[in-house]
Amino acid sequence: EVQLVESGGGLVQPGGSLRLSCEASGFTFNTYWMSWVRQAPGKGLEWVANINQDGSEKYYVDSVKGRFTISRDNARNSLYLQVNSLKAEDAAVYYCARGTVASPGTDYWGQGTLVTVSS
Amino acid sequence: QTVVTQEPSLTVSPGGTVTLTCASTTGAVTSGNYPNWFQQKPGQAPRALIYNTNNKHSWTPARFSGSLLGDRAALTLSGVQPEDEADYYCLLHSDGVQIFGGGTKLTVL
Repeated sequence: EVQLVESGGGLVQPGGSLRLSCEASGFTFNTYWMSWVRQAPGKGLEWVANINQDGSEKYYVDSVKGRFTISRDNARNSLYLQVNSLKAEDAAVYYCARGTVASPGTDYWGQGTLVTVSS
Repeated sequence: QTVVTQEPSLTVSPGGTVTLTCASTTGAVTSGNYPNWFQQKPGQAPRALIYNTNNKHSWTPARFSGSLLGDRAALTLSGVQPEDEADYYCLLHSDGVQIFGGGTKLTVL
């Protein structure tokens, strides 16, 4: 059974940092693209970043470039998102999602971790 | 900057058929945008329904189908069930980045 479990969210002050983690199980992690997607309270989904199987390709939405870094540790079956210089508009539930085989997109999603930005 | 647009809301009767669409401000949506569709119910994580325009996941009910309709991607629900009431999002791929549409709130009434 494919499982994705996010952690690392919490309350952080504007300008602060967090490291979000996603632990994967039930599939061969190092053969899939992985993505982070966020959803602000009461709002729609926003794709944030994705990373290829060996970490050599990374893509970001413009609003987080230079502040967020996606990475992965295939030995630990884990995906990460380092979020720095947080702004109020970064407050959201952050979801980890597995890429679909052979074409862009996602199939399995975690339950998300909540990031709150407030002083 | 590409914006992906969807109908904000639609209403359908149980047993009816409804089509949700997904358009791009930069031009026609094509198979090269690999359209994906997701369903999200309140308090739940999104669930993938369709990938690569018209491919269903193993868990996708047969009444859901994806296509290209003119210059848009489309998700058609045939024989709508009450449990299909949810928010639906499309996702398009373009030059390495992915963009979600604003979502369609589907009411079954």
